[in-house]
Formats: sequence, C-alpha cells, structure tokens
Amino acid sequence: GNSVTQMEGPVTLSEEAFLTINCTYTATGYPSLFWYVQYPGEGLQLLLKATKADDKGSNKGFEATYRKETTSFHLEKGSVQVSDSAVYFCALSGSNQGGKLIFGQGTELSVKP
Amino acid sequence: DAGVTQSPTHLIKTRGQQVTLRCSPKSGHDTVSWYQQALGQGPQFIFQYYEEEERQRGNFPDRFSGHQFPNYSSELNVNALLLGDSALYLCASSLNPGDPYEQYFGPGTRLTVT
Repeated sequence: GNSVTQMEGPVTLSEEAFLTINCTYTATGYPSLFWYVQYPGEGLQLLLKATKADDKGSNKGFEATYRKETTSFHLEKGSVQVSDSAVYFCALSGSNQGGKLIFGQGTELSVKP
Repeated sequence: DAGVTQSPTHLIKTRGQQVTLRCSPKSGHDTVSWYQQALGQGPQFIFQYYEEEERQRGNFPDRFSGHQFPNYSSELNVNALLLGDSALYLCASSLNPGDPYEQYFGPGTRLTVT
C-alpha cells in the first residue's frame, strides 16, 4: 500500500541556517504530495503541495520538488527563523483516493536564536 | 469566516466508556474527514463523510463510527474505549471528496482514556 517515510527528528538548527527535511514515498500511480505544518497546540496547516512529477511547491520561503525518479519530496528552506519551530508532516493522496491523506510520522524542528 | 471547529477541546474518559466528538466544517465545505493522531505520530485516516454517508474508511475497527448531518457537521463516536484510543482526533473539511488540495484541519480534540 501507499506509505510515506520522513527523516526522524528532532532537528535543531540555529536561526538563518539551511533546512532540509527528507521525505520519500511509496505509491502506485501518480499521487499528489503535500507538506503540512503543526504548531504547538494547533491543528495542521497546509504548507505547500505538488500534484505531478517535477512540480515545485513553495510557500513562506519553503519549497519542495516532486521527484518521481527518486520517489522523494524533500522540504527545504534557505534561512530558518525561530517562528518556523513546529512539527512538519509529509503526506500523499493517491490517485482516486477521494482525498484521503497518508502522513509520515512527522519531523520536529526547533530553531534557536 | 470561521474555519473548522471541533468540540470539546479536551476530554478524559474511562476504559470501556463511549465518547462523541463533534466537528463543524469550514463555511461552504461539504465533506468531512476524521483522523487519529497518536502522540509522536502522524495522523491516520479514520473515515470520510459526504452527503451524509461514509464514503471511505481507514483501517479502524467498528467501534469507531460517525455521522454527518444535513448542515454538513459531523460526529465521531468511539465505543468501548481502550487505553490505545488516547490520541488527538482531527477533523478536516473540504469542498468535495475528490479534492485533496484544499483540506482544512481543525485544532483537534485531545482524548485521554484512563
């Protein structure tokens, strides 16, 4: 079945450091890929998405490219801020899955001033 | 414009009891999905409701059931609670069941089973 694997956290960075959170997936067909963010005490917020191979999703300085050849969707940001501290979830929605999301286990990011 | 709302915020129940969680979708949305997020894990899909019917179901036992009302709000019911049911329960709404792009999540209900 479909699945998502993320790098384990926690990830601790200094402000203005470069961020990469790895995400790989297993799916049949052509899934859509997402990154969600969960701030402490809050629900999930969609950060960015990509719906087909080679698409690049971007938002708030974060970006991720849908790589079908490596089945990956790594999240990157050039310069993190303290306010980026949160848990980040990679997710996919398979073809003809009616919007059902399959999530990775999450990666906690802590950014220190 | 109110987003997705859930109630209650927190709930403590005893093993064997039953619980009902509630969700109101974002204005204009007609599809509600429920997810269970155990501590330190990613959310897992429970089921989805559209047009007052369960359209999809994840790998959860029949103790988990739901309902959608004509105003699109939804309830999640869990019977015979187990300690392992302790989790954050998230509701997500969207405009239709086939669109994965615009799912909005509520803040969740934290259920603790003792």
